[in-house]
Amino acid sequence: AQSVTQPDIHITVSEGASLELRCNYSYGATPYLFWYVQSPGQGLQLLLKYFSGDTLVQGIKGFEAEFKRSQSSFNLRKPSVHWSDAAEYFCAVGVKTSYDKVIFGPGTSLSVIP
Amino acid sequence: KAGVTQTPRYLIKTRGQQVTLSCSPISGHRSVSWYQQTPGQGLQFLFEYFSETQRNKGNFPGRFSGRQFSNSRSEMNVSTLELGDSALYLCASSLGGTTGGEQYFGPGTRLTVT
Repeated sequence: AQSVTQPDIHITVSEGASLELRCNYSYGATPYLFWYVQSPGQGLQLLLKYFSGDTLVQGIKGFEAEFKRSQSSFNLRKPSVHWSDAAEYFCAVGVKTSYDKVIFGPGTSLSVIP
Repeated sequence: KAGVTQTPRYLIKTRGQQVTLSCSPISGHRSVSWYQQTPGQGLQFLFEYFSETQRNKGNFPGRFSGRQFSNSRSEMNVSTLELGDSALYLCASSLGGTTGGEQYFGPGTRLTVT
């Protein structure tokens, strides 16, 4: 069965420090991969997506993610974190079936220390 | 293009009552998915509608139901409310078909059951 894991429940970083959020998935084929961000009390916003091609994808707000097929991973990175990046981050896998099926990870909560 | 809208944004109901939540997808999007988000269970998939037909359903009791209209707007109904139904209910729209699940979320409806 398909699944998504985000090993880190909560991460705290200092403002200006680099960030890497981990995501691993379980799926038999090459999936579509997404990262979403959710600010408190808000809906989810799509940060970036990987469908095919270049395994390093750029997203909004200075985020990037790298797809590594051999490790079944899709880690999210940002070189310098801003206080406004504090939020919940969800990794998701889109499964190619006859219809849209998206599986979300449990989320990683990011705190930023000024 | 207008984003996904959800009404109402906040709702307080009493145990045993029923509630209807509404979602208007992005223009041109034919798929609408509903999610329940709670601190303990995270993001859980309720169901997905495409062209007025339910295509996919999560593991929720029959008290949770939905429908989609010809203009792609969707409603979700919860009957006989329980305290545990208190949650943020998120609606997401996508083009549908086999797009791999790139979804766009609304701001959510915060339901409190007392």
